[in-house]
Amino acid sequence: DIQMTQSPSSVSASAGDRVTITCRASQGISSWLAWYQVKPGKAPKLLIYAASYLQSGVPSRFSGSGSGTDFTLTISSLQPEDFATYYCQQGNSFPYAFGQGTKLEIK
Amino acid sequence: EVQLLESGGGLVQPGGSLRLSCAASGFTFGDSAMTWVRQAPGKGLEWVSTISVRGGNTFYADSVNGRFTVSRDYSKNTLYLQMNSLRAEDTAVYYCAKMTVRHFDYWGQGTLVTVSS
Repeated sequence: DIQMTQSPSSVSASAGDRVTITCRASQGISSWLAWYQVKPGKAPKLLIYAASYLQSGVPSRFSGSGSGTDFTLTISSLQPEDFATYYCQQGNSFPYAFGQGTKLEIK
Repeated sequence: EVQLLESGGGLVQPGGSLRLSCAASGFTFGDSAMTWVRQAPGKGLEWVSTISVRGGNTFYADSVNGRFTVSRDYSKNTLYLQMNSLRAEDTAVYYCAKMTVRHFDYWGQGTLVTVSS
């Protein structure tokens, strides 16, 4: 089974900051990597799919990159509504797996 | 507008059973694979099960394999998750999600399952 490891597990930042979250797969997953934003009590939201494609309606300050085993999610200029928990997910093969999450907190 | 509405959660004793439903609207249900994902209290997201577009292929996490069964009813545009032999560690919010290729593009609000005596 493919394991997904995110880092950091939490990060404190201020509005306007640039933040990068990384996700590493235990084996190559090509570009089958998605990123989600989760807020308490709300449905998870797809941000990025196929490693670097922005989901429709998602602000352009979100971007993704990587292939193979190493991936990044970057938020170029944090907005107040971006404080949430972020998860990567591999779709290369079953069982699908999520990273453990990165909690983005207000500094 | 895509809508996914889960129902059927609640309190159940260990060893008991529960069936979750997910009513889908706003898209062609028969054109999408569907998935269940759960989130235990204070924990991260965990993929649970996926059913293919035509329903002929189903996939399960090791943690639920043999106890949970995913199915779909095209006449009702509804996804199901039959959960048997429930354990305390199955306590979680269960989300259904629509799949596109290999990711989950729309999610429901979730339904809470609590396994406790």
